[in-house]
Amino acid sequence: NAGVMQNPRHLVRRRGQEARLRCSPMKGHSHVYWYRQLPEEGLKFMVYLQKENIIDESGMPKERFSAEFPKEGPSILRIQQVVRGDSAAYFCASSPREGAYEQYFGPGTRLTVT
Amino acid sequence: DQQVKQNSPSLSVQEGRISILNCDYTNSMFDYFLWYKKYPAEGPTFLISISSIKDKNEDGRFTVFLNKSAKHLSLHIVPSQPGDSAVYFCAASAIGTASKLTFGTGTRLQVTL
Repeated sequence: NAGVMQNPRHLVRRRGQEARLRCSPMKGHSHVYWYRQLPEEGLKFMVYLQKENIIDESGMPKERFSAEFPKEGPSILRIQQVVRGDSAAYFCASSPREGAYEQYFGPGTRLTVT
Repeated sequence: DQQVKQNSPSLSVQEGRISILNCDYTNSMFDYFLWYKKYPAEGPTFLISISSIKDKNEDGRFTVFLNKSAKHLSLHIVPSQPGDSAVYFCAASAIGTASKLTFGTGTRLQVTL
């Protein structure tokens, strides 16, 4: 099953550490989206990437957060100097082409900041 | 600014009956709408979608209705089954936003025996 893969599934970090979340899109998909879900809330868009390009990062906090999708390898969402408010579920989704509305989601990474 | 609203946080329906989940939106630029289903500790799974040029789309037990003038859509599940118990998210995409999805806060559906 070549679904969207995310790892790790669970990540615990202390305040001030760095968190790295990885996402491998479905086979044949070159468009990746990251969303964040805080407790009892819906998913909030963070960033949209194509291979080697950030297309839309309007939902990303201006500081400490960055994302990349290199030519080879998974997409990575990096959170530097994590704070308790970063604790959330982070979901990655992929789609096969620009303009394809249906996005296919991975199982998520649950980040806990202690 | 919650552009997609699901005002019912939870819904309980008996097995075999119809489940109706509602969603309202405020952004007139939304032109495509989707419903996702989510089980605990899993990612959302795409269920059904509808373009703004249509007012109904059906797929098996699932039907989505869109009322553009009221900025309202609904998901009907008939007949409801216990396996349908999950959280349902309404999502929307606006013209020219490269398929960025805006989600509602979800409705937890419980189908009872």
